[in-house]
Amino acid sequence: DTEVTQTPKHLVMGMTNKKSLKCEQHMGHRAMYWYKQKAKKPPELMFVYSYEKLSINESVPSRFSPECPNSSLLNLHLHALQPEDSALYLCASSQDPGENYGYTFGSGTRLTVV
Amino acid sequence: LAKTTQPISMDSYEGQEVNITCSHNNIATNDYITWYQQFPSQGPRFIIQGYKTKVTNEVASLFIPADRKSSTLSLPRVSLSDTAVYYCLVGVSAAGNKLTFGGGTRVLVKP
Repeated sequence: DTEVTQTPKHLVMGMTNKKSLKCEQHMGHRAMYWYKQKAKKPPELMFVYSYEKLSINESVPSRFSPECPNSSLLNLHLHALQPEDSALYLCASSQDPGENYGYTFGSGTRLTVV
Repeated sequence: LAKTTQPISMDSYEGQEVNITCSHNNIATNDYITWYQQFPSQGPRFIIQGYKTKVTNEVASLFIPADRKSSTLSLPRVSLSDTAVYYCLVGVSAAGNKLTFGGGTRVLVKP
């Protein structure tokens, strides 16, 4: 399995809703990432997990809450989002330190906040 | 983190070679250069990575001069399906490090 799987592919939520995005990989990668991408812009890093511990938080608002239950799973919990949070949310993974290979990205979750 | 500069867009025709140059003047000794391709509403896809000189795989070639302050991604004989955004990233792709995307280059391949 050489893929990063993200669910759901599309999500529409109201500003008072609570929802979660899920990301899964079975490549044995020990780092996982959340990126946010607005239309016609490059992906922006949100969070980095290394060996299941949060190692980087790029000053993301607390309405986004990441969770890494185990080495294969990464969740992004969403609460009280704003319409400007509508974007493509991308998950990625990469191999162990010392191995300088690229990231593997999922296809993303298209989030619309209404 | 090394900042990258790429052309915003490029047009080409089917069957031509496309060369995209990325400038990264403050690249660090340990940094690698990695290129990704992204289609609309999909995640970026790894194309090629290199440290110095030339790297070639089944998809592309990457040329890196001795000073490593720039790099050129070469796509041979492009087809319509190569229309995408191409990103140059500079850094260490090791687990847990953060890689920052630059603006990317929109390549449009015309028939």
